Amino acid sequence: EIVLTQSPGTLSLSPGERATLSCRASQSVSGGYLAWYQQKPGQGPRLLIYDASNRVAGIPDRFRGSGSGTDFTLTINRLEPEDFAVYYCQQYGNAPRTFGQGTKVEIK
Amino acid sequence: QVQLVQSGAEVKKPGASVKLSCRASGFSFTAYYMHWLRQAPGQGPEWMGWINPNSGDTSYAQRFQGRVTMTRDTSISTAYMELTRLTSDDTAIYFCARDRLFYDVWGQGTTVTVS
Repeated sequence: EIVLTQSPGTLSLSPGERATLSCRASQSVSGGYLAWYQQKPGQGPRLLIYDASNRVAGIPDRFRGSGSGTDFTLTINRLEPEDFAVYYCQQYGNAPRTFGQGTKVEIK
Repeated sequence: QVQLVQSGAEVKKPGASVKLSCRASGFSFTAYYMHWLRQAPGQGPEWMGWINPNSGDTSYAQRFQGRVTMTRDTSISTAYMELTRLTSDDTAIYFCARDRLFYDVWGQGTTVTVS
């Protein structure tokens, strides 16, 4: 199965700054089929990005996904207070579908 | 609105079984596969399996084979997941999620504590 490694584990930033989150796959993700989710305490994950770079309707354009093959990035421009959360990547190009261990974006 | 509503928290003894429910509303229950995932504290979600609500066909992750059973009741748009022979390692939050290859709708989660 594909192992997704997210880095860094924790990102300490201030509102207004840019967050850059990395997701690296142990082998190429077929079709670039990678999604990003945001999770806040006590809630289920919320889909932000699918197919590596397609933003879900209603997700602000400060969220941007990019990448292909084994290296993917989620960029959050101008962090808003509600963006501080845990972010997970997930690949669905190869069975079984797998998730990364998460990156926590915390307020500095 | 489109949502998945899961049953309440459970506390079980080791060796027991648990059966969780997930009720769909706001969309056609039989039009989308339903997946179950779980999340241990501080970990990313882990895929457990899926059920096709239309046919009842299922597929389970290898590590849960023999311990998990997914069923559905289309008359009430509800999916179920039963996990047997519980151990402390099964303590986690369990989610149902609508399948579009990615998961676009999630339940609120059910906490299962095995102690």
